[in-house]
Amino acid sequence: GENVEQHPSTLSVQEGDSAVIKCTYSDSASNYFPWYKQELGKRPQLIIDIRSNVGEKKDQRIAVTLNKTAKHFSLHITETQPEDSAVYFCAASINSGYALNFGKGTSLLVTP
Amino acid sequence: SAVISQKPSRDICQRGTSLTIQCQVDSQVTMMFWYRQQPGQSLTLIATANQGSEATYESGFVIDKFPISRPNLTFSTLTVSNMSPEDSSIYLCSVQGGVDTQYFGPGTRLTVL
Repeated sequence: GENVEQHPSTLSVQEGDSAVIKCTYSDSASNYFPWYKQELGKRPQLIIDIRSNVGEKKDQRIAVTLNKTAKHFSLHITETQPEDSAVYFCAASINSGYALNFGKGTSLLVTP
Repeated sequence: SAVISQKPSRDICQRGTSLTIQCQVDSQVTMMFWYRQQPGQSLTLIATANQGSEATYESGFVIDKFPISRPNLTFSTLTVSNMSPEDSSIYLCSVQGGVDTQYFGPGTRLTVL
C-alpha cells in the first residue's frame, strides 16, 4: 500500500520567515495530494491540494509543489504568522474521492 | 463544503463495553471514511463505508471490532466493540465534498478506562 513520509516532525520559525514541509510517497498511482492543518483540539482542515497534472499551486501565502518523477511534494508557507502554528499533515491518494494515506505530521511553531 | 456532524463529541467508557459513533452529512455523498487518530499521532484509515454494500476495512482493522453501517447517503455509524484502553483515540469520519475534496467531521474523543 501507499507509504507517505513527512519531514520534519517539528519546525520552529520566527514570525515572518518561511516554512517548508516535505513529503514523499511510494505509490506511483497516487495522483492527489492534499495538505491539512490541524489546530489543537480541532478537526483537520484542508488548506491546499494539488493533482499530478500540475507542478505547483499557490494560494496567497501558501504554495505546494509536486515532483512526480521523484515522488515528493512540499508545502511552502511564506511570511509566517503566529496563527500558522499547528500540526500540518500531507496525504496522498489515487484519486480525490478515495481514502487518504497520511504522513505523520509536522508540528509548526511560529514565534513572535 | 459539506457540513458534517458527529455524535457523541466525547465519551468516557468502561473496558469491555461498546460505543456507537454517528456521522451525519447535510448532503448526499457516495463515499464516507472512518479514521482513527491516537493521541499525538497521525490519522489512520479504519474503513471505507459505501452505501448499499459492506464496508472495506484496512489492514489491522476487522469488522467484529469496528462494525460499520451505511444505511443511506447522508449517514454512517462506527461501533467500537469490546473496548480496551488501547482504543482511546479520536475517531473522525470524512466525506467527499464539493468537486473532489475531502472534509472531516469534528471527531469523537473516546477515553476507555
